[in-house]
Amino acid sequence: EAQVTQNPRYLITVTGKKLTVTCSQNMNHEYMSWYRQDPGLGLRQIYYSMNVEVTDKGDVPEGYKVSRKEKRNFPLILESPSPNQTSLYFCASSSPRVDTGELFFGEGSRLTVL
Amino acid sequence: QKEVEQNSGPLSVPEGAIASLNCTYSDRGSQSFFWYRQYSGKSPELIMSIYSNGDKEDGRFTAQLNKASQYVSLLIRDSQPSDSATYLCAVQSTTGNQFYFGTGTSLTVIP
Repeated sequence: EAQVTQNPRYLITVTGKKLTVTCSQNMNHEYMSWYRQDPGLGLRQIYYSMNVEVTDKGDVPEGYKVSRKEKRNFPLILESPSPNQTSLYFCASSSPRVDTGELFFGEGSRLTVL
Repeated sequence: QKEVEQNSGPLSVPEGAIASLNCTYSDRGSQSFFWYRQYSGKSPELIMSIYSNGDKEDGRFTAQLNKASQYVSLLIRDSQPSDSATYLCAVQSTTGNQFYFGTGTSLTVIP
C-alpha cells in the first residue's frame, strides 16, 4: 500500500529537549516536505526536499532542521523545541511534475512543547 | 498579500444542496491547482486537481479554474453530511517545488 508514515503520532515534550519526527514514504517520490498546521493559519511549509541531499527552506523554517540522506526518509529535527512549536505536523511526498503534483500526506504528528 | 486566499466560513448547506467553495491566488504563473478535504484531526486528502481553464467534473465534484481572474472554485452537488469537513485550496508554485495552501473553508452539511 502506498503510504507516508510519520512517527511519533503524538508527543509531549519539554522546552529544550531535542526531538526528531520521522517520515518515510514507499512511493519512490523525489519530493518530500514538512508542514505545520495551526488554527487560523492553515498549512505552512517548513522545509522541502527535491531529492537526496537537496533540501530548502519553506515559509517557516526557524527552529527546525531536516536531512535527506535516503530517498524514502525525511526526518524533521527540533534541536531545542519551544512552546511556539506546539502544532500539528504533516509530512508529504510527491512526484512534482507541474501536471501531476498531488501531495500524499502522512497521518500527522501532534506535538506539544511545555 | 497571501499566496492563496479562501473564505474561512463556516459554510452551512442543507443536505442535497450545492456547496460552492472559492479560492483566489496571487501567482499569475501558477499552473497546478488542487482541492483537498480534511476531516477534523485527520490528514488532507486530494479531491480534485485542475490544470487548465474551465471545468473538471468527477462524480459530485466540479472544479473550475479561471487563470485570467486567478480564481479556483469547487462545487459539491447533492451535498451529504459526510461532506462536512474543511476544504483546502492548494496552488503549486511555477517551479513545482512549493505548494501554497489557503487556510481552508469549513463546510457543514445539515441533514
